[in-house]
Amino acid sequence: DGGITQSPKYLFRKEGQNVTLSCEQNLNHDAMYWYRQDPGQGLRLIYYSQIVNDFQKGDIAEGYSVSREKKESFPLTVTSAQKNPTAFYLCASSIGLNLGSSIQYFGAGTRLSVL
Amino acid sequence: QKEVEQDPGPLSVPEGAIVSLNCTYSNSAFQYFMWYRQYSRKGPELLMYTYSSGNKEDGRFTAQVDKSSKYISLFIRDSQPSDSATYLCAMTRDDKIIFGKGTRLHILP
Repeated sequence: DGGITQSPKYLFRKEGQNVTLSCEQNLNHDAMYWYRQDPGQGLRLIYYSQIVNDFQKGDIAEGYSVSREKKESFPLTVTSAQKNPTAFYLCASSIGLNLGSSIQYFGAGTRLSVL
Repeated sequence: QKEVEQDPGPLSVPEGAIVSLNCTYSNSAFQYFMWYRQYSRKGPELLMYTYSSGNKEDGRFTAQVDKSSKYISLFIRDSQPSDSATYLCAMTRDDKIIFGKGTRLHILP
């Protein structure tokens, strides 16, 4: 089955700890995205990547880092600098960034909580 | 003014009713329009997308775009309890996608 796989489904972070959220896609999409979803806030873009070894900051990149070493994978690290990390994190992908190819498909999400 | 406005609800309707969900937008540069359904604690699922003004139908769902009024709608016919979810509109311009904040829908059995 083609799709986007996020893991783990639930994650707990201790104070001062970095944690990494996994996102893998087998849709052969070039573009991948990370969003944060908080109640009443909608989706906020953290980072996106149009191509391997390149990524761009979104609207709320502070306290987060990403890498794109393979087309299929776009892991997100929530660093200790992110002071309010509790949220639902969503990974998405699209064929590309241009109009018509930018329709995004989402993974099932990772819920991160602080211990 | 926000680029995309969507009433957060909640919207409660009885089973079998026709549901109308709406978004308005301010930027005439938007060209593709999407609707996503998101169940609680799940990722958004793409329901429909459309490019032009007019109606697009898929089963019980109809997406409507009125570019002159900058207004899009999603209609759900014969609503079912399984339609209870949050519905997000989204639209693309240039290389950017903008999401509405979502409308929570409850279908009452």
